[in-house]
Amino acid sequence: DAKTTQPTSMDCAEGRAANLPCNHSTISGNEYVYWYRQIHSQGPQYIIHGLKNNETNEMASLIITEDRKSSTLILPHATLRDTAVYYCIVRVNNNNDMRFGAGTRLTVKP
Amino acid sequence: NAGVTQTPKFQVLKTGQSMTLQCAQDMNHEYMSWYRQDPGMGLRLIHYSVGAGITDQGEVPNGYNVSRSTTEDFPLRLLSAAPSQTSVYFCASSYVGLAGAYEQYFGPGTRLTVT
Repeated sequence: DAKTTQPTSMDCAEGRAANLPCNHSTISGNEYVYWYRQIHSQGPQYIIHGLKNNETNEMASLIITEDRKSSTLILPHATLRDTAVYYCIVRVNNNNDMRFGAGTRLTVKP
Repeated sequence: NAGVTQTPKFQVLKTGQSMTLQCAQDMNHEYMSWYRQDPGMGLRLIHYSVGAGITDQGEVPNGYNVSRSTTEDFPLRLLSAAPSQTSVYFCASSYVGLAGAYEQYFGPGTRLTVT
């Protein structure tokens, strides 16, 4: 699976949109982009995934560039409870060997 | 649904002891995995299973054994505990969703200390 690069940390004001970038320049055509988050020391939580089209669900939006070499996770109205480590992962769907990197530590501030 | 459950929540072992971390899911998921997370680090895959009777190694399999005799259970065995295995262990399960997508559901973790 392709590797990803994420900033180590980011801050966001409560109520504003949080935009978390991820670079995956070596992504191949059959690899999906997945986002998970881990709040404090809990188990990771699935957020969203996509292949090439932008995706939106009740938690977030995922914007994937046309060349698929980067993506952005958007939390439209960040709350204090969104403070967490956010992981961007690319993987082939028939491969259950999912590798997490270090992620981005997002801190939402009042 | 209870989702993914793990027992015990906390465990302290002495070097050389063996033990089994339990993981169960009630979602009828074909896929199950074990990860470890060291302080300040991301998760690393230990072993995974794509169905009953089938297991495979992940990134850091040494010192651990797994088996999958049922769809529901995926125990992780530490053969001879070492201080380097002090970590938080997470179990996860997943299904094949729309267009073959996989979304993993994680358990609450087992915090293991080896002295």
